[in-house]
Amino acid sequence: AQKITQTQPGMFVQEKEAVTLDCTYDTSDPSYGLFWYKQPSSGEMIFLIYQGSYDQQNATEGRYSLNFQKARKSANLVISASQLGDSAMYFCAMRGRGGRGSTLGRLYFGRGTQLTVWP
Amino acid sequence: DADVTQTPRNRITKTGKRIMLECSQTKGHDRMYWYRQDPGLGLRLIYYSFDVKDINKGEISDGYSVSRQAQAKFSLSLESAIPNQTALYFCATSDSVGTENLSYGYTFGSGTRLTVV
Repeated sequence: AQKITQTQPGMFVQEKEAVTLDCTYDTSDPSYGLFWYKQPSSGEMIFLIYQGSYDQQNATEGRYSLNFQKARKSANLVISASQLGDSAMYFCAMRGRGGRGSTLGRLYFGRGTQLTVWP
Repeated sequence: DADVTQTPRNRITKTGKRIMLECSQTKGHDRMYWYRQDPGLGLRLIYYSFDVKDINKGEISDGYSVSRQAQAKFSLSLESAIPNQTALYFCATSDSVGTENLSYGYTFGSGTRLTVV
């Protein structure tokens, strides 16, 4: 079974500071992908960043980077230079390469971290 | 037009009523999913479909049913709505995963906020 754990229900950061949102996972799949999504108060799910389990380097997308530590099974999201518009719910998710009867290729989500950026 | 369209966007219904949430997509994806989101619980899978003839239950399917009318359409029904089905519902689509790139994530609809009173 796949499991995603986000231990921080809420995080606060001052504008222009960096913040790390934690995510740990558990899987028996040898190959898997890790995702982060942002959900602003309007409700839509916005894809931020992806990390493959065999990728040699940590993924980066603009101000977002993923601190991937495979041995620790962690995939923390780092947001640099926080902006007020970063205030949102953030979800970590994972999918494996399984077919039927296994992970089925679906995404498993953590419970989310509510990030608040203050001026 | 959005790649994945959910209707309605918001709905208030009474306990015991049957309600249908609709989802249509223009991505050409074969896989479609229904999730519900509750505060503090993240997104939980209700049903998923690999193609028109392949529909499967997720972790929380009790009280729900689905219909895959076509590759592009996947509807979720609440047979007799109850207050604890008040939630934000998402439809999502994805391409097949097999030997394909794991980086293929989901394309989400904008969500349906359902309130059962």
